[in-house]
Amino acid sequence: DARVTQTPRHKVTEMGQEVTMRCQPILGHNTVFWYRQTMMQGLELLAYFRNRAPLDDSGMPKDRFSAEMPDATLATLKIQPSEPRDSAVYFCASGQGKGSVSAGELFFGEGSRLTVL
Amino acid sequence: KQEVTQIPAALSVPEGENLVLNCSFTDSAIYNLQWFRQDPGKGLTSLLLIQSSQREQTSGRLNASLDKSSGRSTLYIAASQPGDSATYLCAGIPIQGAQKLVFGQGTRLTINP
Repeated sequence: DARVTQTPRHKVTEMGQEVTMRCQPILGHNTVFWYRQTMMQGLELLAYFRNRAPLDDSGMPKDRFSAEMPDATLATLKIQPSEPRDSAVYFCASGQGKGSVSAGELFFGEGSRLTVL
Repeated sequence: KQEVTQIPAALSVPEGENLVLNCSFTDSAIYNLQWFRQDPGKGLTSLLLIQSSQREQTSGRLNASLDKSSGRSTLYIAASQPGDSATYLCAGIPIQGAQKLVFGQGTRLTINP
């Protein structure tokens, strides 16, 4: 049963601490997205990768957020230093994109719920 | 900037009714569109994907259509069941926004037994 796997599922940390969230995309998918979901803003796109190359990270606060794909089976989203306003659910999604536009059907992980005190 | 509006924001109906959820895009140049379901505390589950060459998709009791000329999509749920209770989100990839899936705020659906 192919699925996107995210860790940790829940994280509580104190302001100023570093937080790293990990995502294992579905094997064979070439496009990976990071989204953040809050009650106020809904789903916001933070960054996405195609064939491990970052295509757009304009949705991320660059001074504290960073996203990488060390290899095809792992995507990471790091926050350093974390702030209370970063509290949200962070979702990873993957798809098999074709051409320059389509990412294909997207499949989401269960999310990482982050609470920054 | 592409914006997505979903109407209604919330809907409560008795079991067995047929219902329609609506989604519209400010920029009607949509490449493809996907409907998702989200249960409380869970991730998003893909329901239907309408690709660029298609106008509608069907899966079981669900039917989604896309009118590209108007930038509107509808999700039709037939013979609703309590298990259909969830938040339904539509998301589209605008032609000018390569691969950037843009989401609506969702419709919170409650099916009453």
